[in-house]
This record gives sequence, structure tokens and C-alpha cells, in this order.
Amino acid sequence: TQLLEQSPQFLSIQEGENLTVYCNSSSVFSSLQWYRQEPGEGPVLLVTVVTGGEVKKLKRLTFQFGDARKDSSLHITAAQPGDTGLYLCAGGSIIQGAQKLVFGQGTRLTINP
Amino acid sequence: NAGVTQTPKFQVLKTGQSMTLQCAQDMNHNSMYWYRQDPGMGLRLIYYSASEGTTDKGEVPNGYNVSRLNKREFSLRLESAAPSQTSVYFCASSEAPGGTGFYEQYFGPGTRLTVT
Repeated sequence: TQLLEQSPQFLSIQEGENLTVYCNSSSVFSSLQWYRQEPGEGPVLLVTVVTGGEVKKLKRLTFQFGDARKDSSLHITAAQPGDTGLYLCAGGSIIQGAQKLVFGQGTRLTINP
Repeated sequence: NAGVTQTPKFQVLKTGQSMTLQCAQDMNHNSMYWYRQDPGMGLRLIYYSASEGTTDKGEVPNGYNVSRLNKREFSLRLESAAPSQTSVYFCASSEAPGGTGFYEQYFGPGTRLTVT
């Protein structure tokens, strides 16, 4: 069974601070996706990384896929209250023609003004 | 486009009752998925359908059945609800993966189910 461990599970920081969320596994994944979920809604994709060592930037968010494709990190620079939400990492594999995702437990991020 | 729609939004069942959760997508996606989300456990895959006419078990299929009615619709049935099935259920859809490409999964707004 593939598992993804996310840390921390809860993080509350002040506006303007930097933070990093980690997503670790003992399994190799073909891709790693990061989603963000607002209360009462479904997750929405932020980014997909597929190559070991790949780094992608989305404004103040930087995503990295580990060289061995077992782990990933999300770094937010100068966090804003609008960044508040549940962040989920998901490891992807293609099995029997479908894209199957294994999700981490999530990191609930609160940015205080 | 509505994207992925789910009905109902909320449901309360008594132990032993049955119900069907409905999901439809209007993006012409081949693949559809059912997840459950419990506090502290992220999302777990219940069943998926790679394409119309096929369904397969995910991580936590026990107590559930699915039907891929056509390309648009994928339903999840609880035959005899148990309190352990209290959860938020999400349906998602995506393009079928091609080559090394991974596609976004589009999620519905969820169904909040309580079994007493």
C-alpha cells in the first residue's frame, strides 16, 4: 500500500512569514500533484510535477519534486491571509488505464493578518 | 459548463438504510472516481472507472458499489449504511492519462453523509 505522509498537519503563522509543507513517501510515484481545498468545496489542482528534481513556481508558491520521486515540498514566501486553506499532496500512478491518486492527510494552513 | 455535479449535498441515514450518490460531469472526460474524506486522513479512493463500461476497486471499496451509467454519470451506492461510512464523499473526473502525461482531476462539491 502506497502512503504519503504530510507535515505539519496544522500550521498557523502571521502574514508575511515563510513556510514549507512536506510530503514524504517510501514509494516512488510517476507524478506528484498539489491541491488546495476551501471549506465546503472539492480540492482544486495547484500544480503537477513529474520529473525528479523538478521545481515549479506559481507566484509566491514553489513546488519541488524529490530526485527519487518519493517526496515533495511546497514553500510559500510572504504568506497572505488568502493562502489560508487545506493543502493536499497526491502521488499519481497510471494503473489499468486510469490515473490513480494517493493523498496525504493534508496540511491545514491559517495565515493571520 | 457546470463541471462535476453531485447530488445530494447533505444526507442523513439510519444504520441499515441504502442510498445512491449521483455524480455527473460535462467535460467529456473518460475517467471518473469516487473518494471519501475523513478528518486527518486526506482523501481515499473508493472506486474508479477508467472509461465507460469499466469499474475497479480503489483503497476502501468494502460496503460500496458503483455504476458507470454512461460517459457522463458515475453513481455510488451504499447498500446497508453503517456509522463508519459517515464521511464527505467526492466525485472527480479526468482525461484518461496518455503517455507520461498526468491530468488534473476535477472534483465536485461533495456530499456530506451522516449515518446514525
